[in-house]
Amino acid sequence: AQSVTQLDSQVPVFEEAPVELRCNYSSSVSVYLFWYVQYPNQGLQLLLKYLSGSTLVKGINGFEAEFNKSQTSFHLRKPSVHISDTAEYFCAVTLTKAAGNKLTFGGGTRVLVKP
Amino acid sequence: ETGVTQSPTHLIKTRGQQVTLRCSSQSGHNTVSWYQQALGQGPQFIFQYYREEENGRGNFPPRFSGLQFPNYSSELNVNALELDDSALYLCASSGQGVDTQYFGPGTRLTVL
Repeated sequence: AQSVTQLDSQVPVFEEAPVELRCNYSSSVSVYLFWYVQYPNQGLQLLLKYLSGSTLVKGINGFEAEFNKSQTSFHLRKPSVHISDTAEYFCAVTLTKAAGNKLTFGGGTRVLVKP
Repeated sequence: ETGVTQSPTHLIKTRGQQVTLRCSSQSGHNTVSWYQQALGQGPQFIFQYYREEENGRGNFPPRFSGLQFPNYSSELNVNALELDDSALYLCASSGQGVDTQYFGPGTRLTVL
């Protein structure tokens, strides 16, 4: 079975500073990786995904992530955060490209952007 | 917006009662998945329906059940509610050839 670990439960960061959210996964087979964002009192919104190809993936709102198979990681980065990036971020894996397969989520990282 | 809607937004029940949550999938999507998100945790997979049949289930007891209708809308039913069932319930829809699940805004269930 696959599992996902988000190493930081909370990350405080100043506005316009860079941020990195760490995600490591465990699986005996190839996985497909996603980052979702959840704003307060809302559902999940897809930020970006890795299915195949280039290991550097660019997403919405200036976020990017790098897939590292040898380190089984998929860390999320943004070079300069805004107040509006305050939210909870979830890393997730699935075993197939087809969306019709369950997502396994990490515990989430809460990002608090300070002015 | 994803086009996935859920109702109701909030719900308060007492222990032992039964509850039904509803989800309307994004147009053209024939697969719906349900997740439970307890406070401060990541979502956990409950089950999935594809073309009105259950197509995978997570580690949840049988008192969690579901339905998918011909128009691909879906229901999650929970019987004999327990305090630990208090959570945000999310549904996500996806379609053939689509590699992403699109989430609704969720229903927050409080069990007293």
